[in-house]
Amino acid sequence: AQSVTQLDSQVPVFEEAPVELRCNYSSSVSVYLFWYVQYPNQGLQLLLKYLSGSTLVKGINGFEAEFNKSQTSFHLRKPSVHISDTAEYFCAPGEYGNKLVFGAGTILRVKS
Amino acid sequence: KAGVTQTPRYLIKTRGQQVTLSCSPISGHRSVSWYQQTPGQGLQFLFEYFSETQRNKGNFPGRFSGRQFSNSRSEMNVSTLELGDSALYLCASSPAGTKTSGTDTQYFGPGTRLTVL
Repeated sequence: AQSVTQLDSQVPVFEEAPVELRCNYSSSVSVYLFWYVQYPNQGLQLLLKYLSGSTLVKGINGFEAEFNKSQTSFHLRKPSVHISDTAEYFCAPGEYGNKLVFGAGTILRVKS
Repeated sequence: KAGVTQTPRYLIKTRGQQVTLSCSPISGHRSVSWYQQTPGQGLQFLFEYFSETQRNKGNFPGRFSGRQFSNSRSEMNVSTLELGDSALYLCASSPAGTKTSGTDTQYFGPGTRLTVL
């Protein structure tokens, strides 16, 4: 079974600063990786996903992530954050039968 | 297209009761998955339905069950409610085919917040 570790439970950052949210996965099979975002009192929204091919994946709202097989990581980055990026972010590998195995989540707090 | 809808949005029940939650997927989506979100356990997969058949199941007791109808709408039922069942229940749909290896994007509804007193 796959598992994922999100290394930071909370990340505070000032507006317009860069941010990196870390995710490490554990799997011995083909890896499909997703980042989802959850705004307060809402469901989850897909930011980006890695299935195969280029290891640098670009998503919505200026986010990108890099798949690193040797380090088993899939860190999420944004070069300049906005107040509106304040939310909880989840990394998740996908498994058979549309099962997402979510990490514990990282709360991104953007301060002005 | 309309997104995934879940009803009701909020629900309060007492211990021992049962509850049924409903999910309407995006039009044309055939797969519906359910997740439980709690502060302590995070987001956990309950089960997935495709073409009215449960295709995958998480590690939850038998009190948690679900079904899918021919129009892809899905319901989940929790019997004999416990305090620990208080959670946000999220439904997600995807345009999955007959074979899925975890590559599908899932589209989530806003959730049903269940409080058990």
